Amino acid sequence: EDQVTQSPEALRLQEGESSSLNCSYTVSGLRGLFWYRQDPGKGPEFLFTLYSAGEEKEKERLKATLTKKESFLHITAPKPEDSATYLCAVLLNFGNEKLTFGTGTRLTIIP
Amino acid sequence: DSGVTQTPKHLITATGQRVTLRCSPRSGDLSVYWYQQSLDQGLQFLIQYYNGEERAKGNILERFSAQQFPDLHSELNLSSLELGDSALYFCASSATGYEQFFGPGTRLTVL
Repeated sequence: EDQVTQSPEALRLQEGESSSLNCSYTVSGLRGLFWYRQDPGKGPEFLFTLYSAGEEKEKERLKATLTKKESFLHITAPKPEDSATYLCAVLLNFGNEKLTFGTGTRLTIIP
Repeated sequence: DSGVTQTPKHLITATGQRVTLRCSPRSGDLSVYWYQQSLDQGLQFLIQYYNGEERAKGNILERFSAQQFPDLHSELNLSSLELGDSALYFCASSATGYEQFFGPGTRLTVL
């Protein structure tokens, strides 16, 4: 069965303390892996798409990387406004275009 | 702002009732997706429409139905509502079938 697992469930960091969030997947064929940011009560906001192992994408303090089994979202010198839930999702090679989401990592940055 | 709009923002209704949620996709996007997000289940794919035709179905209950109109807006109809249907309902749209852009959601509360 296709699965997406995110860890940790929750992470508290001091402002400026860098860390990484993990998204591991076991799927039959990956067409793309996506990272989203979600604030409480709001819709997921698209951050990155990764298509193949070795690919990296960067945006401000965030960098996403992809291997054959997992993806990391690295957060460098985070600020309080980076506090949110970060979701990863996969799009499979076969079948429909539905995104299969992980349960997310709730990130809190303490000033 | 993703460009996807959803109405209403909040909906409070009673068990057994029927409601309609509305979504307008980003300009030019032909695909519309509906997702349900509850506390215990995370984001779950319900159904996809492409240019007016149903393209894929996920874990959508028989009490739920959707359609996409010629102007590409979509409606999700939920009937015989139960307490467990209380959730956030998101619509997303895509031009490519890869990146999906989410609306702000409709929070449904069934009392």
